[in-house]
Amino acid sequence: QVQLQESGPGLVKPSQTLSLTCTVSGGSISSDSYFWSWIRQPAGKGLEWIGRIYASGDTNYNPSLKSRVTISGDTSKNQFSLKLSSVTAADSAVYYCARDVPFYSGSARSWFDPWGQGTLVTVSS
Amino acid sequence: DIEMTQSPSSLSASVGDRVTITCRSSQSISSYFNWYQQKPGKAPQLLIYAASSLQSGVPSRFSGSGSGTDFTLTISSLQPEDCAIYYCQQSYITPYTFGQGTKLEIK
Repeated sequence: QVQLQESGPGLVKPSQTLSLTCTVSGGSISSDSYFWSWIRQPAGKGLEWIGRIYASGDTNYNPSLKSRVTISGDTSKNQFSLKLSSVTAADSAVYYCARDVPFYSGSARSWFDPWGQGTLVTVSS
Repeated sequence: DIEMTQSPSSLSASVGDRVTITCRSSQSISSYFNWYQQKPGKAPQLLIYAASSLQSGVPSRFSGSGSGTDFTLTISSLQPEDCAIYYCQQSYITPYTFGQGTKLEIK
């Protein structure tokens, strides 16, 4: 059973770069069968998809964040990471990593299952 | 971006009630549509994928229907543990987007 766990600093200063890692167990990020996403949720608000990485290393980002986001993978550690630059208070949120399950083999369309437990990141000086 | 609009934003119902939550997309998304349940302090969990397929382990009182632009989540007999926020999500085109959520409370 695949499990995901986010890790990283809980406090980031404005204008700095937020860096988080998702460690995957029970499954491989190198598998062509799945993709791997980051999603965030500001306190008391809804969910926003940030972007994803494919087994090939290709990425797909939300245009609203694309200029500041980098998602990368480390197959040797079975981890994938999120970097968000030039953060402001508006980037404060619980950040989740999740596995993307394609609707069918070869499809780029997917649903999210499972999710990590989430990690709270606060942007403040 | 495709906008997902849920209704109602909140509702209160009694144990045993039949509950329906709806979600409308701003353009047709076929059946590339999913429902999630989020309990307080927890990560969302997949309930329904592809509009009507029940995720393994999810109680059969949950069901989903719809295609195109209009979708429905139904709980046939509300249980106390169903108190949560429910989100819809479209997977038709990136950026994937979610509804604003429906908060379900038990009377």
